[in-house]
Amino acid sequence: QKEVEQDPGPLSVPEGAIVSLNCTYSNSAFQYFMWYRQYSRKGPELLMYTYSSGNKEDGRFTAQVDKSSKYISLFIRDSQPSDSATYLCAMSAYSGGGADGLTFGKGTHLIIQP
Amino acid sequence: GAGVSQSPRYKVAKRGQDVALRCDPISGHVSLFWYQQALGQGPEFLTYFQNEAQLDKSGLPSDRFFAERPEGSVSTLKIQRTQQEDSAVYLCASSYRGDSNQPQHFGDGTRLSIL
Repeated sequence: QKEVEQDPGPLSVPEGAIVSLNCTYSNSAFQYFMWYRQYSRKGPELLMYTYSSGNKEDGRFTAQVDKSSKYISLFIRDSQPSDSATYLCAMSAYSGGGADGLTFGKGTHLIIQP
Repeated sequence: GAGVSQSPRYKVAKRGQDVALRCDPISGHVSLFWYQQALGQGPEFLTYFQNEAQLDKSGLPSDRFFAERPEGSVSTLKIQRTQQEDSAVYLCASSYRGDSNQPQHFGDGTRLSIL
């Protein structure tokens, strides 16, 4: 079992729908959680960055972290065709004294139908 | 503003050849990371630098892989005696500070194909 599990999809929804993406993880040391968006033949682009449990909202995007369940989510409201991409969750333990390499999920391929 | 720049964008090599991949991080970023992304997978951590010091190379898959950042800015990932399983996208990321966990910003990667 991988440290981070993410359904690869594809997930296809109509334009304007609310999208829910999620990841589960097994390492309880993870405390920094990120969502990246990756378009084809491009690098990952940071969307959301959160620390520990709780919610964070930025425009149409909301990230939720539930450390007790080891479960994180990304919600996209009023989805647009331009949101069609692969969404990667990533996490880090950061033990202090330096940065950590991120542990990524496999990525979910999202398709927004016009 | 300039982001993380990687070159070349595409590299084709024959099995057994050596390759060198370059990363120019965001100016002023102390931390630099290399990742390997296989087709249909998420990126996997290879190695991490803080300035010129390589603090973690636990993800390098074999001793054929070598990374350096001699002046604490530009970094090079070298793969010797390439094998077909080395075919992947190699991503570089940088972050601002080395003494706190700042978000990492990625380049567009080098797509390596080994024939």
